[in-house]
Amino acid sequence: KNEVEQSPQNLTAQEGEFITINCSYSVGISALHWLQQHPGGGIVSLFMLSSGKKKHGRLIATINIQEKHSSLHITASHPRDSAVYICAVPRIQGAQKLVFGQGTRLTINP
Amino acid sequence: DAGITQSPRHKVTETGTPVTLRCHQTENHRYMYWYRQDPGHGLRLIHYSYGVKDTDKGEVSDGYSVSRSKTEDFLLTLESATSSQTSVYFCAIGSERDQETQYFGPGTRLLVL
Repeated sequence: KNEVEQSPQNLTAQEGEFITINCSYSVGISALHWLQQHPGGGIVSLFMLSSGKKKHGRLIATINIQEKHSSLHITASHPRDSAVYICAVPRIQGAQKLVFGQGTRLTINP
Repeated sequence: DAGITQSPRHKVTETGTPVTLRCHQTENHRYMYWYRQDPGHGLRLIHYSYGVKDTDKGEVSDGYSVSRSKTEDFLLTLESATSSQTSVYFCAIGSERDQETQYFGPGTRLLVL
């Protein structure tokens, strides 16, 4: 079993829909990361969170430490949100070595 | 955007040849990382550095070596390239103050024939 599991692996939706991507992990963590990989390949860090919720524009990330689960939500989705979304956690609390999920490929159709 | 560049951006090489990829940063960040990304595996850590001349292995370090002789440069060397090392390689950096946030370079696409 992977240490970091994402679901779904692929998601296609219509513009305007509310999107949820899930991440479950089995390692102990101090913070969880959400990354976005654009179709051109570039990787951008979206959020780093260790508790509760963070919001940036139409993106909202939540985490439940007890349940070892995080969700990334996108409100009013747009075709430019089409990307691969990746979650990652440190393998050891406070350490630099991240373990990555396999990513969720999101496609938003106009 | 964090100042991270990778060179070359694309490379085709033959099995058995040595290959060196360069990561250069202008942010003076302490931590630097090399990852590879493959379909079905996601990103995996090859090596990382926590300072000049200080490096450590990641989960897929076999067949790779690294060097960091100055803060701004982190080199990844494939000692004798194999077809299994065909991949997209990403460099990332992290600051000491913001210890766990990592900023990624644009990637290097390597094809080993």
